Amino acid sequence: DTAVSQTPKYLVTQMGNDKSIKCEQNLGHDTMYWYKQDSKKFLKIMFSYNNKELIINETVPNRFSPKSPDKAHLNLHINSLELGDSAVYFCASSQPGGDTEAFFGQGTRLTVV
Amino acid sequence: AQRVTQPEKLLSVFKGAPVELKCNYSYSGSPELFWYVQYSRQRLQLLLRHISRESIKGFTADLNKGETSFHLKKPFAQEEDSAMYYCALSRPTLGRLYFGRGTQLTVWP
Repeated sequence: DTAVSQTPKYLVTQMGNDKSIKCEQNLGHDTMYWYKQDSKKFLKIMFSYNNKELIINETVPNRFSPKSPDKAHLNLHINSLELGDSAVYFCASSQPGGDTEAFFGQGTRLTVV
Repeated sequence: AQRVTQPEKLLSVFKGAPVELKCNYSYSGSPELFWYVQYSRQRLQLLLRHISRESIKGFTADLNKGETSFHLKKPFAQEEDSAMYYCALSRPTLGRLYFGRGTQLTVWP
């Protein structure tokens, strides 16, 4: 009965490859997010997706592309992986609004070699 | 633009001692403020939010608009409080969270 689930939990891949991380939430939330946690544990918003409206953090390279087939899923596709993409990626969901609780997935640790 | 500052990357206290994790923010409007916690090998989860004005696991946090602070406090730390604590801000009507860099709290027995 996990509320927000991500797959895979670990991903090791070579530079230049394309990979996807999947996220699903069963909370009925309208809004989903991707966050990146770097090696210093700093968490930064990458994308938010609310009712088919995608809001992109302008610092995210366009090699990253979120895809939402429906409101319960927000997948992250990464093209031409680079060493600097190594991080833990967290999916989250919430109801709309600034004061609502965000529920996080367990994270996907991506290692690019 | 918004910014959240957690000045302490690491904080260690002994069990039973008071603990305060500092958080300062900058935002021109009225932000929503949160503390999220990540225990070892667990997912990030909400600890408390300023709008609720509640105490969770003995922790409290008061929003001080004059000092633009939202420090997290607990009078008597426990070993199970050891975790990474993130202060976060969101803008009204928007759910995106802007996190501080986190403070790793260690409570020694």
